[in-house]
This record gives sequence, C-alpha cells and structure tokens, in this order.
Amino acid sequence: GNSVTQMEGPVTLSEEAFLTINCTYTATGYPSLFWYVQYPGEGLQLLLKATKADDKGSNKGFEATYRKETTSFHLEKGSVQVSDSAVYFCALSGNDYKLSFGAGTTVTVRA
Amino acid sequence: SAVISQKPSRDICQRGTSLTIQCQVDSQVTMMFWYRQQPGQSLTLIATANQGSEATYESGFVIDKFPISRPNLTFSTLTVSNMSPEDSSIYLCSVKTGGGPYEQYFGPGTRLTVT
Repeated sequence: GNSVTQMEGPVTLSEEAFLTINCTYTATGYPSLFWYVQYPGEGLQLLLKATKADDKGSNKGFEATYRKETTSFHLEKGSVQVSDSAVYFCALSGNDYKLSFGAGTTVTVRA
Repeated sequence: SAVISQKPSRDICQRGTSLTIQCQVDSQVTMMFWYRQQPGQSLTLIATANQGSEATYESGFVIDKFPISRPNLTFSTLTVSNMSPEDSSIYLCSVKTGGGPYEQYFGPGTRLTVT
C-alpha cells in the first residue's frame, strides 16, 4: 500500500535560517505528491504539489521536487520567517484520490 | 478551489452518545472524504463519500460506528456513534475539485472531546 515517511520534529529555527523537511514515500504506480500546512488555530491548507517525476512544486518561498529515483519529496525554504511556524504534512495520492499523510513535522521559527 | 464549512466547530460529548458532523461545500463536488486527526497524530482517512452510492470505509473503520450520508453534491454528514474517549479527535471533511489533478481542499475541522 501507499505510505509516507516524514522527518520527525519538532524543528526549531531562527528567522532567516534554511529549512528542510525530509519526506520519502512508498507507492504503487505514479502518485501525486503534496505538502500541506496547518498554521496554529487554522485548518489544513495545500502548500504545494507535484504530479509527475521531476516536477517542482513551489509556493510562498517553499519548494519541493518530485524525485522518483529516490522516492522523495523534500520541502525546502531558504529563509524562514516567524509566520512559517506551523505543522507541515507530506502526503501522496494515487488514482483513487485518497490521501496518505506523513506524521507531520512541527516547525517553530524564533525571532 | 472550494470553500468548506463544518458544523459544529467543536463539541464536548459524554461517552455512549452520538454526534453528527455536517460538511457543506460552496460548489458541487463528486468526491468527498472524511478524515480523523487524533491528538498529536497525522490524518487518517475514514471513508470516501460519493453522491449516489454507499460510502467506502477504510480498514479499521465500520459503518455502524461512523455512518455517513451524502444526499447531494454539496453536503455530507458523518456520525460518530456510541462514543468513547478514544474517539476524541479532530474530524475533517475534504473535497476533490475539478481544478487541477488530485487536489483536495479541507474543511476547518470539528474538534470532538469525549468525556
């Protein structure tokens, strides 16, 4: 079956630091890959997506590249802000559209 | 995209009772899903609710415990039956829209506490 393994947190960073959250997956076929974000007190939001190998998803300064050879979809941001403090979830879906989520990584950015 | 609302936003219930959660979408969608997020955990899919057919449940979830209705293309309900403290979770509905492949949008969630 499909599964997602995500870097465990929590992660604490200073403002303007570089952020990487590792995500690897196991899936049959060719899944679509996503990063969702959950800000404190808010609902789950789609941050970025990639639907085929070598695609790069990007949004709000975050990027992730779909690497089929390493079955990875690592999230990166070059310079984080306090407002990036949130829980980040890596997820995948196949043709049935069902989402499988990673465990989530809590990121705290200090001023 | 889609705007999704859920009612109630939160509730505290006694064990043995049932709670029905409503999910309303601002546009017609074919596919709706119900997820559970237990405290400090990730999201787990409960079931897929497509209009005009029975809900399809994931392993570990059964219809008697989590009956689902999907009367039209903009609305669904999830009932948590005969609740126990282990049912304390956030319950979220999501929809698959026609815009973009495999994109899903989530409701704000219903925070349930069972005492």
